Amino acid sequence: AQTVTQSQPEMSVQEAETVTLSCTYDTSESNYYLFWYKQPPSRQMILVIRQEAYKQQNATENRFSVNFQKAAKSFSLKISDSQLGDTAMYFCAFMKLHSGNTPLVFGKGTRLSVIA
Amino acid sequence: EPEVTQTPSHQVTQMGQEVILRCVPISNHLYFYWYRQILGQKVEFLVSFYNNEISEKSEIFDDQFSVERPDGSNFTLKIRSTKLEDSAMYFCASSPSDYLDEQFFGPGTRLTVL
Repeated sequence: AQTVTQSQPEMSVQEAETVTLSCTYDTSESNYYLFWYKQPPSRQMILVIRQEAYKQQNATENRFSVNFQKAAKSFSLKISDSQLGDTAMYFCAFMKLHSGNTPLVFGKGTRLSVIA
Repeated sequence: EPEVTQTPSHQVTQMGQEVILRCVPISNHLYFYWYRQILGQKVEFLVSFYNNEISEKSEIFDDQFSVERPDGSNFTLKIRSTKLEDSAMYFCASSPSDYLDEQFFGPGTRLTVL
């Protein structure tokens, strides 16, 4: 079975600064996807960024980037130039590569507060 | 932009009662999911549904739970006889196809069992 661990229950960052959220996972699968989802207060979870395990290059989406260390089973999210709208709960999630839909395995989340 | 919707946003019920949580997935999506999050714990997978049948379920999804797509738009989760430990946030999600397509989540229904 896969497990995802987010060791930082809460974090805060000043507006315009950079923050890194940690995520580690455990799996015996060799092919899988990793995701970061964002859940703003009272809003839906939305996908922030995804990483295919077979790709060595770290994924980036505008101000969001990941540091994917496959051997260490680590998948951290870096948010650059933090904005007030980045205040949210952030979930790291794992999906094994398989034909057909497969469920997401989530971490407990990190609550990020961006301070003006 | 299309969104997954869920009703009600908050449901309070007495232990032993039946509850039905409703979801309207995005209209052209084919795969549907239920997840739940007990307060302070991880979001956990319950069940996935495709082509009018369950495609995968977790050990949490026991005989007390059922899912249904009664018409072309709704996707429901029924809990037959609620227990205190069923109190949680329940999230519905949908995706347009299989093979690693993004899952789009609804805002959740908070279920409180008294």
